[in-house]
Amino acid sequence: EAGVAQSPRYKIIEKRQSVAFWCNPISGHATLYWYQQILGQGPKLLIQFQNNGVVDDSQLPKDRFSAERLKGVDSTLKIQPAKLEDSAVYLCASSRGLAGGEAGHEQFFGPGTRLTVL
Amino acid sequence: AQSVAQPEDQVNVAEGNPLTVKCTYSVSGNPYLFWYVQYPNRGLQFLLKYITGDNLVKGSYGFEAEFNKSQTSFHLKKPSALVSDSALYFCAVRDPRGTGRRALTFGSGTRLQVQP
Repeated sequence: EAGVAQSPRYKIIEKRQSVAFWCNPISGHATLYWYQQILGQGPKLLIQFQNNGVVDDSQLPKDRFSAERLKGVDSTLKIQPAKLEDSAVYLCASSRGLAGGEAGHEQFFGPGTRLTVL
Repeated sequence: AQSVAQPEDQVNVAEGNPLTVKCTYSVSGNPYLFWYVQYPNRGLQFLLKYITGDNLVKGSYGFEAEFNKSQTSFHLKKPSALVSDSALYFCAVRDPRGTGRRALTFGSGTRLQVQP
């Protein structure tokens, strides 16, 4: 079974530029998450999709961050314009299931995209 | 709101000795608890989870964790550490109540260093 794919693996941009990250979840996984992991901290949820609908985006800085999951498979996360404090690793994760015991299903993480904003 | 605390930034242990990585949690209902490991330049890998049932949970690579409801703890353990266990370990919690929201709340991580 192929894992969660992310690209690019590394990105360096100047502040105020825009950037986009791509994620392809494990086949058949209905739920997709984007996490932000700042150096020295644990991952923090940015947005959760269930199929192509947003379930939780309460911690997404919507003035600069946006995400979509068209067709309920791949997802993109965009930052525009980037700030210095956006330097972090952006992790995509997926899990299967929609109802009932899905809360107990583990999430599978991609390798992440390391963003450096100069 | 749910939260996780990992009180130790780093744990050092000699190869062959037992190891413990501590985790305490705060959640309103009965928690779902997870441990993940992160190797350099790689994503998080699932180790084990507690959902219900036996308080001692066994996971990958010889790791186990003990759920203690009275102490709100979920410490990660291994009887005999290997140098290859050196990595960053994250404890995470999810409140199973409600519908839809399934995101994990992570601790700040504990770096495990196993010396040969």
